[in-house]
Amino acid sequence: KAGVTQTPRYLIKTRGQQVTLSCSPISGHRSVSWYQQTPGQGLQFLFEYFSETQRNKGNFPGRFSGRQFSNSRSEMNVSTLELGDSALYLCASSLTGTGGYQETQYFGPGTRLLVL
Amino acid sequence: QKEVEQNSGPLSVPEGAIASLNCTYSDRGSQSFFWYRQYSGKSPELIMFIYSNGDKEDGRFTAQLNKASQYVSLLIRDSQPSDSATYLCAVNNQAGTALIFGKGTTLSVSS
Repeated sequence: KAGVTQTPRYLIKTRGQQVTLSCSPISGHRSVSWYQQTPGQGLQFLFEYFSETQRNKGNFPGRFSGRQFSNSRSEMNVSTLELGDSALYLCASSLTGTGGYQETQYFGPGTRLLVL
Repeated sequence: QKEVEQNSGPLSVPEGAIASLNCTYSDRGSQSFFWYRQYSGKSPELIMFIYSNGDKEDGRFTAQLNKASQYVSLLIRDSQPSDSATYLCAVNNQAGTALIFGKGTTLSVSS
């Protein structure tokens, strides 16, 4: 079974630009979560989608947004990029992410974003 | 603010020794606990998950959970240089829709 895929793998942008990252979950997985990883803050939860609906959102500004399509693929968008947005953006998928117990999340390889 | 705390390390152990990694969490409602391993430049990969108090063993790895003390640990027996990585402890939120990660403990196993 193919794993979680993310595109692009590397991205260089300048301040003020916007960026869209893509994530394809493991086949059959319907929950997609996004995380930002930086050396100083570690792995931080951005948001989670299930059946095209955002169910949970982390403590990030509105510049960070996402969506999920009917095939469970997800995109996240960052507008008006700032230097501090430079990070590794990780997508993780799980079956449903519900039931009172967190199902195992499997991570993609990540997109490394550099903002100049 | 729900938190997960880990010692950042580095934790250095000789090859063949037992490495002990610890994690505490603040949300008493958390029900699921995970250990991920992350090699430099790579994404996290799941090592183990644990839901119930007590120990859970998988090969050289043992996860221990004590919900009363809000404490979860990972023991790695017969440590190998290939175990050198950052180990991330993760705890679910009460809704089960998000993982809260500690900042990780860096483990170095010397041969």
